[in-house]
Amino acid sequence: QVQLVQSGAEVTKPGASVKVSCKASGYTFTTYAMHWVRQAPGQRLELMAWINTGSGDATYSPKFQGRVTITRDTSASTAYMELSSLRSEDTAVYYCACLDCGDYWGQGTLVTVSS
Amino acid sequence: EVVMMQSPATLSVSPGERATLSCRASQSVSNNVAWYQQKPGQAPKLLIHGASTRATGIPARFSGSGSGTDFTLTISSLQSEDSAVYFCQQYNSWRTFGQGTKLEIK
Repeated sequence: QVQLVQSGAEVTKPGASVKVSCKASGYTFTTYAMHWVRQAPGQRLELMAWINTGSGDATYSPKFQGRVTITRDTSASTAYMELSSLRSEDTAVYYCACLDCGDYWGQGTLVTVSS
Repeated sequence: EVVMMQSPATLSVSPGERATLSCRASQSVSNNVAWYQQKPGQAPKLLIHGASTRATGIPARFSGSGSGTDFTLTISSLQSEDSAVYFCQQYNSWRTFGQGTKLEIK
């Protein structure tokens, strides 16, 4: 069965960067795009970016362009989301999701930005 | 960016009754709308895609309708486990989500 397992919670300081991983199993990793969605407290879900896991090409939301980098390691069936120049408003749960392979989501990674 | 607006913000319905949730898009999104259910501490779960097609394993009491800019999720014969936040999402242009409707079972 399809599973997406994300890395654990992070606590980090303003101005720093954070990198979240998402390991996929149960399907051919390079067949489907991987999406990254965040859910900040009291805010609606936001699609930040997605990556063509075959080619490695990433597409970013204008809101996050320049601060987020999505990569993948096909040998490890793992996708990564790195967010830089963190501020308190980036405190959120970050999800990876395979929205085109039957809509599977990771368990979420809580990132807390606090001085 | 397509803005999705949901109403009401909160809905309280008795078990066995019907709940009707609405979602309006700021521009036409054809039928490229999905509905999700999210319970506390869990990832969103897909209920409906293509505005009206139930996802695999979703009970028939969940139904979706609409096209263009106005969409509805109907949950008939409510059960206690339906208590959750429900989101709409359009995937016609990028993907954007509504702000959610919190459904409470009395």
